[in-house]
Amino acid sequence: KAGVTQTPRYLIKTRGQQVTLSCSPISGHRSVSWYQQTPGQGLQFLFEYFSETQRNKGNFPGRFSGRQFSNSRSEMNVSTLELGDSALYLCASSPWTGRRTEAFFGQGTRLTVV
Amino acid sequence: EDKVVQSPLSLVVHEGDTVTLNCSYEVTNFRSLLWYKQEKKAPTFLFMLTSSGIEKKSGRLSSILDKKELFSILNITATQTGDSAIYLCAVNYGGSQGNLIFGKGTKLSVKP
Repeated sequence: KAGVTQTPRYLIKTRGQQVTLSCSPISGHRSVSWYQQTPGQGLQFLFEYFSETQRNKGNFPGRFSGRQFSNSRSEMNVSTLELGDSALYLCASSPWTGRRTEAFFGQGTRLTVV
Repeated sequence: EDKVVQSPLSLVVHEGDTVTLNCSYEVTNFRSLLWYKQEKKAPTFLFMLTSSGIEKKSGRLSSILDKKELFSILNITATQTGDSAIYLCAVNYGGSQGNLIFGKGTKLSVKP
C-alpha cells in the first residue's frame, strides 16, 4: 500500500508570491490534515479536511487555505508569502474509522521563502 | 490553554543505554495520546494510547499512559544508533484527527 505522497519535496519562493502544495493520502483514507513544522514552534496544526469539507482549522492567518477533492487528494495554498512561512509542511492522512485515529505522515514539502 | 510538554528536549546516550522520554499534557476532552519518531522528514507512527496502565510494546520500545496524572512515557531499551531521532508526542483531544496537539519533541542522539 503506497504511503502519503507530497509534492513537491522542495520549493524556493520569493516574498509576495503564492504557492500550492499537494498531498495524496493513503488509499481509502478520507481525512487529510496539514501541519507546519519549524524549529522554534514545532509541529502546528493548520487544517483538516474530511470528505471535501474543512472540519477543523488551526490558528493561522487567512493566507493559508486548502481544499480536498473527491478522490481525497488535498492541496494547500499560501498566498503573499512571508519569510516566516519558511518551514516543513507535512500532510497526514487518517482512516478515521471508529477509534482508529492515528495519522500517517508524508515526507513533507520543504518551503524556503527568500 | 491546551498544551503538550515533552522532556527532556534533547538527550545524548551511548549504545546499549536505556532511555525514558516524558510527555505531559493538559487538554480538554482527551481522546488518545500518540508517539511518533521523526528521523528526516516524515514522522513515523509508533504507538497510540487510550487507556491508563496498559503498556504498548514494539520490540525495544514501550509506552504507557497515566490518565490520572496526565502523562506518558516512552522507553527505549538497549538503544542503537538507529534510534537517533526526534520523538514526538501528540494528543488527540476532540475525536477528529485534526485535533492533534504536538509537543516540541525530544531529540535523542545515540553515540556508538
